[in-house]
Amino acid sequence: SQQGEEDPQALSIQEGENATMNCSYKTSINNLQWYRQNSGRGLVHLILIRSNEREKHSGRLRVTLDTSKKSSSLLITASRAADTASYFCATDGVQGAQKLVFGQGTRLTINP
Amino acid sequence: DVKVTQSSRYLVKRTGEKVFLECVQDMDHENMFWYRQDPGLGLRLIYFSYDVKMKEKGDIPEGYSVSREKKERFSLILESASTNQTSMYLCASSWPGPQYFGPGTRLLVL
Repeated sequence: SQQGEEDPQALSIQEGENATMNCSYKTSINNLQWYRQNSGRGLVHLILIRSNEREKHSGRLRVTLDTSKKSSSLLITASRAADTASYFCATDGVQGAQKLVFGQGTRLTINP
Repeated sequence: DVKVTQSSRYLVKRTGEKVFLECVQDMDHENMFWYRQDPGLGLRLIYFSYDVKMKEKGDIPEGYSVSREKKERFSLILESASTNQTSMYLCASSWPGPQYFGPGTRLLVL
C-alpha cells in the first residue's frame, strides 16, 4: 500500500525562488529519504533523515521531519534550472528496514 | 562512487517472449531491488534480495521471477511477457541505507 504521498503533485517556480515539497506517511518509520529523478533516468539519493531527527541540511537542501504528524518537507533554496526533476520521498520500517515505499513524487519545474 | 548498471536502456519484446533484465552493482552491497515505474502509480517493488540466492516478493511479484547467483548481479525475468508489463524497470542496491539506482530499462511489449 502507498506509504508516502507527496504534495503538491506539480510545482512550477522561477529560478532563484525557494521550492517546498511535502510528504505524508501512514505508519511508524525508521527513517525517511528523499530522491530526485531527472526525466527518464534512475533515482538519485538526496538526503536521509532518521526518525529521531527533526531537521537536516545538505547544501541547498533542508529536510524536516515531524513524526507526530507523520510528515516531512523538502526545501530547495535558491533554485536553479538544473533542479528541474521529480522528487520522491521514501519510507522504511513498515515491512523491514531495507524495503522502501515510495510516494508518487512532486514534479518540479524551474523556469529561467 | 557506487555504480549500478542495467543491461539495456530500451528493449522491445513480443507478447509471450521470455525477457531477462540484468542488473550489476560494483559496491559489494547486500541488498538489491527491482522496481517498476508507471505514470500515476509511482515506483512499486517487484522483488528484492538481501543475500545471494535469497529473495523476497515485493508488492507486485506476479508474472516475474528473479535470480541472484552472485552478490553483484540481480536478474529480473519475465517468464511470458505481456503488454501490461510495458513499463520502466529500475534496479537498485543498498548496503543498507540509501538505495543506489541504475539508469532504468524502458521495456515495450508488443
